[in-house]
Amino acid sequence: DTGVSQDPRHKITKRGQNVTFRCDPISEHNRLYWYRQTLGQGPEFLTYFQNEAQLEKSRLLSDRFSAERPKGSFSTLEIQRTEQGDSAMYLCASSLRPRDSLNEKLFFGSGTQLSVL
Amino acid sequence: GDSVTQMEGPVTLSEEAFLTINCTYTATGYPSLFWYVQYPGEGLQLLLKATKADDKGSNKGFEATYRKETTSFHLEKGSVQVSDSAVYFCALMDTGRRALTFGSGTRLQVQP
Repeated sequence: DTGVSQDPRHKITKRGQNVTFRCDPISEHNRLYWYRQTLGQGPEFLTYFQNEAQLEKSRLLSDRFSAERPKGSFSTLEIQRTEQGDSAMYLCASSLRPRDSLNEKLFFGSGTQLSVL
Repeated sequence: GDSVTQMEGPVTLSEEAFLTINCTYTATGYPSLFWYVQYPGEGLQLLLKATKADDKGSNKGFEATYRKETTSFHLEKGSVQVSDSAVYFCALMDTGRRALTFGSGTRLQVQP
C-alpha cells in the first residue's frame, strides 16, 4: 500500500493553457475526492466519486473544471483556460466506503501545486 | 452554509507545555467533527473525530470533545513534543453530505 499518489507534484503554466492532474487512490478504495487549498487556508471541497460515478460537485467547480474517473480507479482533474486565481494546491483523497458512513476515513495525497503565471 | 472557525497561528510553545487550539463551527444539520494534522512535507492525516454531541475523540495524547451547546470542538494536549509541530485543521462533515468543510488551519511550533 503506497498511499494516495498524485502527479505531477508541481505544475507551472501560463494563463490560458489547459492542465491535467492525475490521482491514483489506494487500491480498492471506491471513493475518491478532490479538494483545493490556497496558501493559508484550509482545503475546499471540489467533487467526489463513488466508483466511476461523480456524485457531488461544489459550486467552486466552474465549467472550466472537469473531473473524471472512467474505470473507478484513477481520476483526472482538468482545468481549461487557466486563470491566475486557479493557482493552488490540488489535493486528492480516497476512502473505502464503510458499512457505517460515520466511520469513513479519508487518506490524502501530498497534492499537486499549480502555479499560473 | 457550514463554516469552521479556528484560532489563528502560529502557536509557539515550549516542549511539555499544555496545548489548546480553539475551534467553533456552524452547521445546518448534525455534523461529525474532525481534527486533521499536516506535518511538514506530508499529506493531511486524520488525527481524531467525534460523531455526536458529548463524544470525545482522542489519539496520540490529543483530545477534543464535541460540545453542541457551544458549537465547539477544541483540541487539547497535556504535554506537547517537538514532533507535534505541524498545521492542525478543524473540519466538519454535515448530515447527508460527503464534503468536509475545513477551518483555515493553525500552525503549531514546539521549541525544545
